Amino acid sequence: AQSVTQPDIHITVSEGASLELRCNYSYGATPYLFWYVQSPGQGLQLLLKYFSGDTLVQGIKGFEAEFKRSQSSFNLRKPSVHWSDAAEYFCAVGAGGNKLVFGAGTILRVKS
Amino acid sequence: EAGVAQSPRYKIIEKRQSVAFWCNPISGHATLYWYQQILGQGPKLLIQFQNNGVVDDSQLPKDRFSAERLKGVDSTLKIQPAKLEDSAVYLCASSLGVPDTQYFGPGTRLTVL
Repeated sequence: AQSVTQPDIHITVSEGASLELRCNYSYGATPYLFWYVQSPGQGLQLLLKYFSGDTLVQGIKGFEAEFKRSQSSFNLRKPSVHWSDAAEYFCAVGAGGNKLVFGAGTILRVKS
Repeated sequence: EAGVAQSPRYKIIEKRQSVAFWCNPISGHATLYWYQQILGQGPKLLIQFQNNGVVDDSQLPKDRFSAERLKGVDSTLKIQPAKLEDSAVYLCASSLGVPDTQYFGPGTRLTVL
């Protein structure tokens, strides 16, 4: 069965510091991979996605993610975090039929 | 382009009562999804529609949950009777097809007392 692991429940970074959120997936075929962000009381907003091709994917708000098949990972990165990036981040794998299987999420706190 | 619309945004009911949620997907999107997001967890797919038909409802508790998508546009998710463990945010999403990016609505936060 498909699964997604986000090992960090909470992460705190200083404003201006770099960020990396980890995501590992389990899926037998070539995965479709997504990162979504959720602010309090809001729905999920797509940051970026990987379907095929270049394994380094650029997204909105300065985020990028790298698909590493050998490590079954799809880590999210940002070189310089802004206070407005504080939110919860979800990694998801697209399973058969476009069903999304989500990780449990990582809550990002940004300290000034 | 208008996004996915959901109503109500918040609902508080007592256990054993019934409740219904409404979703209007992005215009032209053939595929519609309902997810349940329990506090502290990622969303979990309840049901997926392709136009009028159900594609996947394997995780829908069919003894109390039901969903329909009439005319392949709007959808309604119903819970009857509600249990305490149904307290969650119910998210609706839509996509043009499969596979494709899913776009999410703001969700309905249900509290069952």
